[in-house]
Amino acid sequence: KAGVTQTPRYLIKTRGQQVTLSCSPISGHRSVSWYQQTPGQGLQFLFEYFSETQRNKGNFPGRFSGRQFSNSRSEMNVSTLELGDSALYLCASSSRGQGSPGANVLTFGAGSRLTVL
Amino acid sequence: GQNIDQPTEMTATEGAIVQINCTYQTSGFNGLFWYQQHAGEAPTFLSYNVLDGLEEKGRFSSFLSRSKGYSYLLLKELQMKDSASYLCASPRDSGAGSYQLTFGKGTKLSVIP
Repeated sequence: KAGVTQTPRYLIKTRGQQVTLSCSPISGHRSVSWYQQTPGQGLQFLFEYFSETQRNKGNFPGRFSGRQFSNSRSEMNVSTLELGDSALYLCASSSRGQGSPGANVLTFGAGSRLTVL
Repeated sequence: GQNIDQPTEMTATEGAIVQINCTYQTSGFNGLFWYQQHAGEAPTFLSYNVLDGLEEKGRFSSFLSRSKGYSYLLLKELQMKDSASYLCASPRDSGAGSYQLTFGKGTKLSVIP
């Protein structure tokens, strides 16, 4: 079956702009998580959605937001972009989103690489 | 907290064995994941340990000691394609019926001929 699909794969924006990234999870997966990956900080958790509800949120400013649709597809938005927002944004899905961690292994997409100039 | 520490970089020779260590804070322990990430690609799941001991999966094995807050990933018979970053991650119960994965910064392994 198809994996996690993220679009766009690469994009360049300028400071002050906003960006929307899209994620299509594996069919049947209802939980979608977003991570920011940078060389200095590694993977940092942004937020998690399950059945269109945000269940968890990481320690990021309010400029970072997201949503999930009824078909489990998710989008994240970053407004008023800053240079420090340049990163690889990874989306991951899991099947049930609840129960033991071992029963909910995250499957990642290839990411959207954002460059802010 | 879930502070996770692992070495930044390691280099090993093709055909050899390498051990990548990971330490974590033991409070609220819910198991430990290892992921592999090749440059420019998605992280992929390698292993999940929740009980003490060694679990073997072909050339890769993962070890856990809950009392010591310590895990390692053992790669045998190294191949060039094993050059990648290896990420250690610990789930934290978010209290919302789900777990939030906290990752270490990753260990970049370079396999040389």
